[in-house]
Amino acid sequence: GIQVEQSPPDLILQEGANSTLRCNFSDSVNNLQWFHQNPWGQLINLFYIPSGTKQNGRLSATTVATERYSLLYISSSQTTDSGVYFCAVELLNNAGNMLTFGGGTRLMVKP
Amino acid sequence: EAGVAQSPRYKIIEKRQSVAFWCNPISGHATLYWYQQILGQGPKLLIQFQNNGVVDDSQLPKDRFSAERLKGVDSTLKIQPAKLEDSAVYLCASSLSKTGTSGRRGEQFFGPGTRLTVL
Repeated sequence: GIQVEQSPPDLILQEGANSTLRCNFSDSVNNLQWFHQNPWGQLINLFYIPSGTKQNGRLSATTVATERYSLLYISSSQTTDSGVYFCAVELLNNAGNMLTFGGGTRLMVKP
Repeated sequence: EAGVAQSPRYKIIEKRQSVAFWCNPISGHATLYWYQQILGQGPKLLIQFQNNGVVDDSQLPKDRFSAERLKGVDSTLKIQPAKLEDSAVYLCASSLSKTGTSGRRGEQFFGPGTRLTVL
C-alpha cells in the first residue's frame, strides 16, 4: 500500500541549532507538501515541492523524486518552530488520488 | 485573502448524540476536503468534493458519517450517532482543483479544525 514515512519521530533542539527532517515515500509523486502544525492545531503550509529545491527564510526543502524522498531543513531554530512537521504525498499511481500524510516529526525547540 | 473557515472550534457531546461541523473554503476553490486527525497521528481523508459532487468518499464511515456541499461552496459534515472513537480533530481543506491535477492548483490549504470530544 501507500507508505509515507517520516524521521525522526521526535526531535529536541536547543535554540539556534539546525536540523534536517526526512520524508520517504513509496512511489512517484504528483504532489508533495510540507506542513507545520502549531501547538494550537493549525496546519500551516510550508512548501509545495513535488521536485526540486525551495527556500523560504530559515526553511528550505528538497525533493529527489527519482529516489523517493524529501528533506526539510530548519536553520537557526527558534522556539516558535516547535510543533509537528508533516509531509503529505499524493502518489501518481494512487487511483484514489488522495493526499496521504506521514506520521509527523514532533519538534521541541528549547530556549 | 481569507483562509478556510470552520465552526465550531470545540464540541463536547455524549456518545450516541449527533453533531455537525461547518466549513467555508477559500473563495474560488472548487475542491473541498474533510479530514479526521486522531491524537498523535497525521490527518486522514474522509471525503473530497469537486464543486457540489463527491470525488472520493471511500474512507468515510457511511453508516454514521455524512457530508454535503449543496451549492458548491460551504460544506457540512455530520456524525450520527457518535461513538467514543470519533473523538478527534476534524479538519477542512480546500484547493483550486482536485487531486490528480498537475501543478499548484492541487495545493491544499487547511482550516483551524474542530476538536470533538465524545464522552
